[in-house]
Amino acid sequence: AQRVTQPEKLLSVFKGAPVELKCNYSYSGSPELFWYVQYSRQRLQLLLRHISRESIKGFTADLNKGETSFHLKKPFAQEEDSAMYYCALGTTSGTYKYIFGTGTRLKVLA
Amino acid sequence: NAGVTQTPKFQVLKTGQSMTLQCAQDMNHEYMSWYRQDPGMGLRLIHYSVGAGITDQGEVPNGYNVSRSTTEDFPLRLLSAAPSQTSVYFCASSARGSHDTAFFGQGTRLTVV
Repeated sequence: AQRVTQPEKLLSVFKGAPVELKCNYSYSGSPELFWYVQYSRQRLQLLLRHISRESIKGFTADLNKGETSFHLKKPFAQEEDSAMYYCALGTTSGTYKYIFGTGTRLKVLA
Repeated sequence: NAGVTQTPKFQVLKTGQSMTLQCAQDMNHEYMSWYRQDPGMGLRLIHYSVGAGITDQGEVPNGYNVSRSTTEDFPLRLLSAAPSQTSVYFCASSARGSHDTAFFGQGTRLTVV
C-alpha cells in the first residue's frame, strides 16, 4: 500500500531548540519525497524535495530508504517556522499521484 | 504570472445544490489535481489529470466530477452537495507529474448546510 505517515499532529518547541518532524512512507517503487509548508492564511508551498538535497530556511531532510523515512530537521527553531507541515510522496510509476501525510502543526514558543 | 488561481475563495451551499469550483494555471503544466483538506486527515486526492482530455479518480472521488478540456483549466463539479463535502479544497499543478514540484492554489473554503 502507498502511504505517508506523520505520527505527530502537533509539535511544540521553544525558540532556539532543535526540531524534527517525522515522516515515514510505504511505497514499492522509487519515491519522490517532498515537504510542503502552509503558513497561516497562505497557500501550500514547497519547502524542499529530496532530489535537490538543499537546505531551505535552515531545514534539511534526508531520505533513508532502509528506514523508509524522510524526517525534516532544523537545528534551531524560529518563531516564524510555526506552520503546518506536510510530507508528500510522488509516485513515479503506474498511476501518477501525490500522497500526503496528515500533517504536523509546528508551534515555536517564545 | 499568476500561478494557480482558484475561485471562489469562500462558498456556502445548501444540501442538494450543485456548483463548480474553478481552477486555472498559467504555467503550461500538464498535471493538475484536486484535494480536500480536512482536520486530522491531511490532503486527500479527489481527481487528477495528466493532460488535456485525460482525467482519473483519486482517493475520494464520489460526489465530484472533473473535466480537462484545456491545459489551463481543471474545474471540479459538486453534483449534489452534502454536508460531508464541507471542506477546504485545493487545486494543484505540476510540470511533469507527481515526481515534480506541485504548485497550489489558495484554496476554496466550502460549507454545505
